[in-house]
Amino acid sequence: DAKTTQPNSMESNEEEPVHLPCNHSTISGTDYIHWYRQLPSQGPEYVIHGLTSNVNNRMASLAIAEDRKSSTLILHRATLRDAAVYYCILRDVRGYNAGNMLTFGGGTRLMVKP
Amino acid sequence: SAVISQKPSRDICQRGTSLTIQCQVDSQVTMMFWYRQQPGQSLTLIATANQGSEATYESGFVIDKFPISRPNLTFSTLTVSNMSPEDSSIYLCSVERSYNEQFFGPGTRLTVL
Repeated sequence: DAKTTQPNSMESNEEEPVHLPCNHSTISGTDYIHWYRQLPSQGPEYVIHGLTSNVNNRMASLAIAEDRKSSTLILHRATLRDAAVYYCILRDVRGYNAGNMLTFGGGTRLMVKP
Repeated sequence: SAVISQKPSRDICQRGTSLTIQCQVDSQVTMMFWYRQQPGQSLTLIATANQGSEATYESGFVIDKFPISRPNLTFSTLTVSNMSPEDSSIYLCSVERSYNEQFFGPGTRLTVL
């Protein structure tokens, strides 16, 4: 799986939008962009994924650059519960069937201030 | 979604002993995965467990140290053998329902004295 680069930490104020960046300049055409987050003392949970187009779900939005070399996870209104480590992961569309596992990098620790 | 439980949730063990961690899923899944999360670190994949076949281990992990069982489609165990303080970590199991979403258990926090 291709490598991603994320800031180690970010801070946000409660009820403000948060933009979490991720660089993946070596992304291949068959790589999906996945985001997971890990709340304190919990296992990671899926947030969102995309391939080329921007994506929205109930948790967040994913904005993907036109050249796909970077993406941004957008939390529209941060809450205290959103404080977590956010992982940006590239995953071949064929998944484990092609021997491609979910590979976690360092992630971004998001701190939300009340 | 998938509901995954792990037992024990935490344990404190003596050096040289072994601990078996159980992972139970609420529905049948083909692939189960075991991860290790060392203190302050990200997750590292230990092995992939497919029902009816031997587990596939990632580089740096061996079967003698981390034997895995997968007796059916809803259950797996990971044993941490001959433990040392360096094995103190959180161990997590996960399952994948599609290529796009993996579900994780709550983890087992292991401390080795």
